[in-house]
Amino acid sequence: DADVTQTPRNRITKTGKRIMLECSQTKGHDRMYWYRQDPGLGLRLIYYSFDVKDINKGEISDGYSVSRQAQAKFSLSLESAIPNQTALYFCATSDSRYSGANVLTFGAGSRLTVL
Amino acid sequence: GENVEQHPSTLSVQEGDSAVIKCTYSDSASNYFPWYKQELGKRPQLIIDIRSNVGEKKDQRIAVTLNKTAKHFSLHITETQPEDSAVYFCAARSNNAGNMLTFGGGTRLMVKP
Repeated sequence: DADVTQTPRNRITKTGKRIMLECSQTKGHDRMYWYRQDPGLGLRLIYYSFDVKDINKGEISDGYSVSRQAQAKFSLSLESAIPNQTALYFCATSDSRYSGANVLTFGAGSRLTVL
Repeated sequence: GENVEQHPSTLSVQEGDSAVIKCTYSDSASNYFPWYKQELGKRPQLIIDIRSNVGEKKDQRIAVTLNKTAKHFSLHITETQPEDSAVYFCAARSNNAGNMLTFGGGTRLMVKP
């Protein structure tokens, strides 16, 4: 089945370490997003990409960077992790070709704990 | 930018009762309002959405209403069942926010059998 796959699903790391969360999709969607979920704060957009050459900051991009290696791959990096980046991270995709361009398909999530 | 407030943060109902979750938004340019359901340990999934040219939309036991003048929209679930227990997120899309979705803080709905 076409899907959005995130790796790793769980990661515990220490303050100051570099972390990469990876996302790949087989849905053929052109748009990809990284969201962060914290209790009571909903889903907040970190970065988004409309195609391979397009990268845009979301509302909480500080401390994060991304790379769109191919249409199907979108990675999120934390160059120097800090404890308040402990959260559940979701990758999502959408397809701009149809009227449902804003219908997001989410991956299963990556739970990151920074000690 | 857009700001979406969602209430209540938690809601407990008896099976068979109705549940209502309310959201307000700040940007009058917002024109698309989806609702996502996230079951425990699962990914969020779209359950219903409404566009600004429509006042109400229904899908079986779920309905969404939109009041553009007051800038609020609501999710109504009738005849609740235990499998409706989940966290529900509302969102709004604004042309002023790059057409990105801004999510509310979520509502944890618990349906007691």
